[in-house]
Amino acid sequence: AQSVSQHNHHVILSEAASLELGCNYSYGGTVNLFWYVQYPGQHLQLLLKYFSGDPLVKGIKGFEAEFIKSKFSFNLRKPSVQWSDTAEYFCAVNVVGNNDMRFGAGTRLTVKP
Amino acid sequence: EAGVAQSPRYKIIEKRQSVAFWCNPISGHATLYWYQQILGQGPKLLIQFQNNGVVDDSQLPKDRFSAERLKGVDSTLKIQPAKLEDSAVYLCACRVGHTNTGELFFGEGSRLTVL
Repeated sequence: AQSVSQHNHHVILSEAASLELGCNYSYGGTVNLFWYVQYPGQHLQLLLKYFSGDPLVKGIKGFEAEFIKSKFSFNLRKPSVQWSDTAEYFCAVNVVGNNDMRFGAGTRLTVKP
Repeated sequence: EAGVAQSPRYKIIEKRQSVAFWCNPISGHATLYWYQQILGQGPKLLIQFQNNGVVDDSQLPKDRFSAERLKGVDSTLKIQPAKLEDSAVYLCACRVGHTNTGELFFGEGSRLTVL
């Protein structure tokens, strides 16, 4: 079945630790890829996106993600997390030509001060 | 630029009652979506509008859910009668233009609790 998989349900890190959140998708065809973040009590907002070109994309707040087509992956990374990065992170896939955007189940990140 | 407005933010009802949620998207954003986000899960698409026409409602439980977007601007999502499993956050999102690419802009959601 077509899906978006986020392997980590809850990640707990200390400040300054490095972060990598996994995202894999099973859709064929050309895809647009997104990471959204939801801070406590706030709405979903875009962190970064990939449409084409350089597979390493940089987003806001020091986040980056790498699209590896052969692995159907779009992992999110940050070299050094801060307490303010505590949030829920959602990977999303939009197959070009289809209508909707499909989301993964989300990964809750807790950063300890 | 104003964001996506949704109301009410919170609603508690008993099962078999009805509820309606309202969304006012960003001005000029032609495409509007309603998503359902159950606790611990990612958002799931319920319905997509392009202007005032339905593009995709394949995942909308039509026996109890309905949605409309009169005049291609505001939208309402209704549940009648509600079931316990409808407890979730209902998210409205919009996208610029008529393309299927580009980011979605989300409202803060309407949290529904069905008792």
